[in-house]
Amino acid sequence: SQTIHQWPATLVQPVGSPLSLECTVEGTSNPNLYWYRQAAGRGLQLLFYSVGIGQISSEVPQNLSASRPQDRQFILSSKKLLLSDSGFYLCAWKNGPGELFFGEGSRLTVL
Amino acid sequence: AQSVTQPDIHITVSEGASLELRCNYSYGATPYLFWYVQSPGQGLQLLLKYFSGDTLVQGIKGFEAEFKRSQSSFNLRKPSVHWSDAAEYFCAVGPQMDSSYKLIFGSGTRLLVRP
Repeated sequence: SQTIHQWPATLVQPVGSPLSLECTVEGTSNPNLYWYRQAAGRGLQLLFYSVGIGQISSEVPQNLSASRPQDRQFILSSKKLLLSDSGFYLCAWKNGPGELFFGEGSRLTVL
Repeated sequence: AQSVTQPDIHITVSEGASLELRCNYSYGATPYLFWYVQSPGQGLQLLLKYFSGDTLVQGIKGFEAEFKRSQSSFNLRKPSVHWSDAAEYFCAVGPQMDSSYKLIFGSGTRLLVRP
């Protein structure tokens, strides 16, 4: 069966520090992968999506970047975190027609 | 512009009472429609989806939703709420013919259940 893993689950970082959140999918191949952010009290905002290795589409201009070094790995990064980067980050995958499957999320607090 | 509106930020119902969560969308064509549920600190779980056909769709945990094209709505219902249904609920729309398959989410409705 397909599973999706995100880590770390919780992260507290100072302003200006770098960030790396990882997402790995198992049990599928060539999935579409997505990074969403959920700010406190708000809905989900699509940040990036990828339809294949090395193919990244950015949905909103921001302080973050994404990379897909392997078929089933999706990484969210920042060189210098801002306070506004705090939130709950969700990775998701889609394989074929149908819904997105979400990971358990990574909660980032920037102080 | 494409958007999803969930007009109720919070809803409180008594256990055993019926529930309806509202969702309206603005989209260029008939989209795929979804309801997801999120427990605190967790990811999202799919409750149900509408692609085509019967406009009343059944989902998990006793939930159902009705697609009304004329009203651009996809409201979620449950006849009798259980305390374990307390969570946040998200309506989402997605393209029928787009390989990128980007979902647009509403801002969510938080459901509180009174004992």
